[in-house]
Amino acid sequence: QVQVQESGPGLVKPSQTLSLTCSVSGFSIGSGDYYWAWIRHHPGEGLDWIGYISYRGRTYYNPSLKSRVSISIDTSKNQVSLNLRSVTAADTAVYYCARPGRLGELSLTIWGQGTLVTVSS
Amino acid sequence: DIQMTQSPSTLSASVGDRVTITCRTSQSVNSWLAWYQQKPGIAPKLLIYKASYLETGVPSRFSGSGSATEFTLTISSLQPDDFATYYCQQYNNYSGTFGQGTKVEIK
Repeated sequence: QVQVQESGPGLVKPSQTLSLTCSVSGFSIGSGDYYWAWIRHHPGEGLDWIGYISYRGRTYYNPSLKSRVSISIDTSKNQVSLNLRSVTAADTAVYYCARPGRLGELSLTIWGQGTLVTVSS
Repeated sequence: DIQMTQSPSTLSASVGDRVTITCRTSQSVNSWLAWYQQKPGIAPKLLIYKASYLETGVPSRFSGSGSATEFTLTISSLQPDDFATYYCQQYNNYSGTFGQGTKVEIK
């Protein structure tokens, strides 16, 4: 059973970099051509797609975040990472890592429990 | 960028009601559209993928239809467990924009 778990600091200061890790269990990231996604949910608002990365490291980002975001993959650690630079209070959200359930699909079946990141001094 | 318009934003309904939520995209996404259910404090749950395919384990009262720019999620007979917020997401051409969400409340 594939599981993903987000981890990282719960509090980040404005202008700093938010860094999160998604640890994958029950599946070897390097073994299949799945895309991995980062999604965020602002408190009281809707869902916000951040970006995708393939197991080969090809990335696609939300245009509104593209100048500040990078997603990377480490097959040796079986992890996917998110970095978001120059954060502001508007980046306060629950951040989710997710994966499709089917090859060739980008609809997201497998989700982590999410991790709340607050941007505040 | 593809813009999403989901309606209504809030819907009040009773157990047993037929419920319909609409999602429109600013350009064609073919059938690359998904529907999710989210409850407070819990990750979204995939209900429908590729516009009309029911995800494994999802009750058959949920159905999706549409293509190109107009899509619909229907719940044929609303159950107590269905009171939640629903989101559409387009994933055409390696993007992933979500709709604004529809909160289904108890009438």
